[in-house]
Amino acid sequence: KNQVEQSPQSLIILEGKNCTLQCNYTVSPFSNLRWYKQDTGRGPVSLTIMTFSENTKSNGRYTATLDADTKQSSLHITASQLSDSASYICVVSQNYGGSQGNLIFGKGTKLSVKP
Amino acid sequence: EAGVTQSPTHLIKTRGQQATLRCSPISGHTSVYWYQQALGLGLQFLLWYDEGEERNRGNFPPRFSGRQFPNYSSELNVNALELEDSALYLCASSHRDTRNEKLFFGSGTQLSVL
Repeated sequence: KNQVEQSPQSLIILEGKNCTLQCNYTVSPFSNLRWYKQDTGRGPVSLTIMTFSENTKSNGRYTATLDADTKQSSLHITASQLSDSASYICVVSQNYGGSQGNLIFGKGTKLSVKP
Repeated sequence: EAGVTQSPTHLIKTRGQQATLRCSPISGHTSVYWYQQALGLGLQFLLWYDEGEERNRGNFPPRFSGRQFPNYSSELNVNALELEDSALYLCASSHRDTRNEKLFFGSGTQLSVL
């Protein structure tokens, strides 16, 4: 069964600290892996998209890694800010002609950054 | 550049009624996607429209339907509403559908079925 599992389900950290969110997937065939940030009451916003051949991609203080062999990805947030408080969603795209209807979404990790 | 806009932001209906949700994509985007985000669950794919045609639909019953207009805006219709249809409905748009194309999401319509 095609699944995307994220951990932890929720996380509380202090402002300025680093954190790492995990994503394991069993989606096949694999096309790409995406991380989205979703603020409360808003739609998700794309952070990174990584294909099979990419194992690291950065977007400011966000760094995503991908190990296609073990089917694992992580999102590392450096020097967290209060505005990082949000849900972070891992999404894997199946390789069926490129349709974005074949996106498999994880349930997200809810991150709270406290002052 | 205006983002993806959805209306209404909130919608309250009773069981058995019909709901209509609207979405305007980013200018120049031809593909529109609809997703359901129920509490505690990941986004579930509903429908994909491109160039006015329905291209793919997710594992939802036929009472979930929609259409795309010549200006690429879209409507999602949910007939015979059930309590479990209560969710955040998100619309997203992109250029012509390609494998690594970035999706842009609207802020959603929160549908509550009483």
